[in-house]
Amino acid sequence: DTGVSQDPRHKITKRGQNVTFRCDPISEHNRLYWYRQTLGQGPEFLTYFQNEAQLEKSRLLSDRFSAERPKGSFSTLEIQRTEQGDSAMYLCASSPTGGTLATNEKLFFGSGTQLSVL
Amino acid sequence: RKEVEQDPGPFNVPEGATVAFNCTYSNSASQSFFWYRQDCRKEPKLLMSVYSSGNEDGRFTAQLNRASQYISLLIRDSKLSDSATYLCVVKKNNDMRFGAGTRLTVKP
Repeated sequence: DTGVSQDPRHKITKRGQNVTFRCDPISEHNRLYWYRQTLGQGPEFLTYFQNEAQLEKSRLLSDRFSAERPKGSFSTLEIQRTEQGDSAMYLCASSPTGGTLATNEKLFFGSGTQLSVL
Repeated sequence: RKEVEQDPGPFNVPEGATVAFNCTYSNSASQSFFWYRQDCRKEPKLLMSVYSSGNEDGRFTAQLNRASQYISLLIRDSKLSDSATYLCVVKKNNDMRFGAGTRLTVKP
């Protein structure tokens, strides 16, 4: 499978615990995005990487959230001291650079990590 | 005001019907526009890009009006398999913003 993969698929945690999610983008894709989606809403932008550089970060991303992409390949999203309001689907997406505009702008999403904070 | 707003839906239509979805965006500097489709409990997938001149892909037609900051999607001869949530997406630089989506159910 050469698509975007995310791990784990589901995570149940208690309030106050830390959680970390992993995203493996499509191998030749330089751009990597994290989104959060709750029921009945569209994906909300969290952060964006080009290679290993974190170029944009949403105001939604509080100090409890941190994302890394140390070698420009896989990325991790950590949430510290989880709160019930953090319960959501966390989606990772990647897109290429260097191709046509049409291909560069297409986001390829992973299946997401569903987080439930009890 | 949300950056990307869509018809609240849900839309329930019979097979064969024509249905139109609307979307407005607030950032006049937005550069690119898309419609994504999301099936229940699945990830979003690109349906089509939206170009200034309007574009068609089979039964799907997308229109963009930059002056009004308005995007539309028309589905003709709807099929049961078109049932999904349709997400309007607006891009500025590398920032892609999604609308809340419009749920479509096509019934036999």
